[in-house]
Amino acid sequence: QKEVEQDPGPLSVPEGAIVSLNCTYSNSAFQYFMWYRQYSRKGPELLMYTYSSGNKEDGRFTAQVDKSSKYISLFIRDSQPSDSATYLCATGAQKLVFGQGTRLTINP
Amino acid sequence: GAGVSQSPSNKVTEKGKDVELRCDPISGHTALYWYRQRLGQGLEFLIYFQGNSAPDKSGLPSDRFSAERTGESVSTLTIQRTQQEDSAVYLCASSPLTGTLTDTQYFGPGTRLTVL
Repeated sequence: QKEVEQDPGPLSVPEGAIVSLNCTYSNSAFQYFMWYRQYSRKGPELLMYTYSSGNKEDGRFTAQVDKSSKYISLFIRDSQPSDSATYLCATGAQKLVFGQGTRLTINP
Repeated sequence: GAGVSQSPSNKVTEKGKDVELRCDPISGHTALYWYRQRLGQGLEFLIYFQGNSAPDKSGLPSDRFSAERTGESVSTLTIQRTQQEDSAVYLCASSPLTGTLTDTQYFGPGTRLTVL
């Protein structure tokens, strides 16, 4: 079993839709949870970071962690074509373990 | 300011040849990481540098892979006797402090390696 599992998609939604991206992880010791966004032919960039369980909101983006079910989510409200990218979840204890990434396309 | 840069951006090589990939981290960043990203896959950790030392090289897939860092700056990832399964994007990241999990890692654009 992989330490972090993420549905690779692809996911295609119309502009303005609410997007839900999800990951599961296996190690209950993981405390820090991150979402990275990666545009085509670019390196990933940190989008959001949360510690332990709960929600964190930043503009149109909300990161949610449920440690009891080992489930990580990223919600994008009012999605825009510029949100089209691959989204990678990441977590870990000593070092980051990345999910496979979900390719998201927002259609105008 | 300048971000993380990597060179070359693309490298095509023949099976069995050696390749060197270069990473220039953000100036002053102490920690440096190398990752491999195969097509449609997530990032696979290769090696981590703290200064010029590599306390964690557990992700290097075989002894054909090696890396060094000098001057607490530039790092070079070397792959000897390349194989087709080495084809991937090799990403470098740096972070400013101690390399702990909470430090933000800043990624370069990657080197796309194709082994024919």
